[in-house]
Amino acid sequence: DAKTTQPPSMDCAEGRAANLPCNHSTISGNEYVYWYRQIHSQGPQYIIHGLKNNETNEMASLIITEDRKSSTLILPHATLRDTAVYYCIVRGTGTYKYIFGTGTRLKVLA
Amino acid sequence: NAGVTQTPKFQVLKTGQSMTLQCAQDMNHEYMSWYRQDPGMGLRLIHYSVGAGITDQGEVPNGYNVSRSTTEDFPLRLLSAAPSQTSVYFCASRLRSTVNTEAFFGQGTRLTVV
Repeated sequence: DAKTTQPPSMDCAEGRAANLPCNHSTISGNEYVYWYRQIHSQGPQYIIHGLKNNETNEMASLIITEDRKSSTLILPHATLRDTAVYYCIVRGTGTYKYIFGTGTRLKVLA
Repeated sequence: NAGVTQTPKFQVLKTGQSMTLQCAQDMNHEYMSWYRQDPGMGLRLIHYSVGAGITDQGEVPNGYNVSRSTTEDFPLRLLSAAPSQTSVYFCASRLRSTVNTEAFFGQGTRLTVV
């Protein structure tokens, strides 16, 4: 599974968009990009995933570059409850293992 | 819909004691796994199972045993607890599918070994 690189921490003003970057330069063709978040040591929570097209759901948007070497998770209107550690994970079809890095600690400021 | 349930939520053990961390899911998921999370770090995979009767090792399997006799349950056993096993343990499950699906995590078991 490809490894990912994320900034260790970011701040975002409440109500503004939070853009969390992730580099996965060694990603291969059948590997998906997943995003999870962990709020205050609770179990990780699924946010979104994608292969090569941009994806949007009720929680967030995922923008994947054309070469698939990086992606950005967008929380369109961050709230204080979005303060969490966000993990970007790359996983291939047919494998089960999620390899977690240390993630990005997002702090939403009032 | 309970999802993934872990018990106990908190546990203190003495060095050398044994115990079993329980994990149950009611979503009929084939895939289940155990992770540990140490302070300031991401989750590391201990063991996983792709179905009843099938288990395999993850990144950090030493000191832990697992078995999968039913689809619903995936217990994690510590045979002789050590202080290095002080951690937060998470169980996860996922549907086996040709389409990528997300994993569901339990709320964790906080284990302290003294």
